[in-house]
Amino acid sequence: QVQLVQSGTEVQKPGASVKLSCKASGYTFTRFYLTWVRQAPGQGLQWMGGINPNLGTTTYARQFQGRVTMTRDTSTSTVYMELSSLRSEDTAVYFCARLTGDSDGLNWFDPWGQGTLVTVSS
Amino acid sequence: DIQMTQSPSSLSASVGDRVIITCRASQGIDTNVNWYQQQPGKAPKVLIYAASIVQSGVPPRFSGSGSGTDFALTISSLQAEDFATYYCQQTYNSPPTFGQGTRVDLK
Repeated sequence: QVQLVQSGTEVQKPGASVKLSCKASGYTFTRFYLTWVRQAPGQGLQWMGGINPNLGTTTYARQFQGRVTMTRDTSTSTVYMELSSLRSEDTAVYFCARLTGDSDGLNWFDPWGQGTLVTVSS
Repeated sequence: DIQMTQSPSSLSASVGDRVIITCRASQGIDTNVNWYQQQPGKAPKVLIYAASIVQSGVPPRFSGSGSGTDFALTISSLQAEDFATYYCQQTYNSPPTFGQGTRVDLK
């Protein structure tokens, strides 16, 4: 079945960087865009950006530009999201999700990875 | 960016109740709205996409409606496993944006 499996919990200090992974299985990796969404404790969902696994091209949300880098490794069907200059406000659960669509150009996020908790604390 | 405004932000209901959650977009978005359910500590799961299409495997008590700027998610008869947080999302243009969420808990 289609599945996204994310890397484990991270604890980082302010100013550091973190690199998360999301391994896809059950479908052709290069056919579907992959996105990253984060959720701060008790808060809603915030789209961070995404990557075309076939071309490696990326789109980032305005508020993360300059701090986020998304890459992929087609040999292992894995996408990565690196966030730098971490601050306490980056403490959140980070999800990857596949952009799924239909022939009418409508899109939705399915499935989602299980999430990775990142805690930023000195 | 397109703003998605959900209401209510929370509601208390009983098993068997009919529940309606609404979402308003800041501009017209055709039917480019999706609804997700999130259980505590879990990833969101899509219930409805393209405003009204029920995802495979989702119980038929869930339905979606609307187009343009106003959308609704209806749970016809709330079950115990439906107590969760629900989010609308627009994918009409980038960036995709979410509503702030509606928490449904037990009255």
